[in-house]
Amino acid sequence: QSVLTQPPSVSGAPGQRVTISCTGSSSNIGAPYDVHWYQQLPGTAPKLLIFGNSNRPSGVPDRFSGSKSGTSASLAITGLQAEDEADYYCQSFDSSLSASVFGGGTKLTVL
Amino acid sequence: EVQLVESGGGLVQPGGSLRLSCAASGFTFSGSSMHWVRQASGKGLEWLGRIRSRPNNYATGYAASVKGRFIISRDESQNTAYLQMNSLQTEDTAVYYCTRRSKDDSSGYYVAWGQGTLVTVAS
Repeated sequence: QSVLTQPPSVSGAPGQRVTISCTGSSSNIGAPYDVHWYQQLPGTAPKLLIFGNSNRPSGVPDRFSGSKSGTSASLAITGLQAEDEADYYCQSFDSSLSASVFGGGTKLTVL
Repeated sequence: EVQLVESGGGLVQPGGSLRLSCAASGFTFSGSSMHWVRQASGKGLEWLGRIRSRPNNYATGYAASVKGRFIISRDESQNTAYLQMNSLQTEDTAVYYCTRRSKDDSSGYYVAWGQGTLVTVAS
């Protein structure tokens, strides 16, 4: 049971928009600690996708965006492409655990 | 170019020990907080622990699931971080990643990841 809750899976057709939610609590996202997102392509290590709730590292397309409100955060992907098919993880810090925490991960399927 | 290269994974019997290494290059290792994360097959990411930078006295912290069994250390002269794993159990079977934190505080995120090394605990 992860501290941060994500839907196990989402799907969308090419060109569509999908969102992935990440729900926490008052000791992590609501504390408020920043939320970061990672993309993990099959068989590879995770890669930073969004940092500080809504910032994109250099090289990440602007089709990816992040937001945060209260004890939840969201990752939105617009103009879905086949190459976006991957697992996505949110991450934050939890003051009760004094630990970094991850969401359980969401598998994105591009139909 | 920032690089993290893990090594030391393999097959170990339950109750055994293993030490993983993470060789770092391309950034100022001494100023960076290094963390370890693992991923069991088909499962999500699990934070294991961290060792802070020299200004923060190389302080360590661990997840409850590994506290007392795993020890994180670092060798500044070798630009290498280590994960000593003791009393290994079958549920410790996973790919282990070392990561570099963007900042040595609670707001940091993982800017670089190693390729991962597989640890299998089985008899």
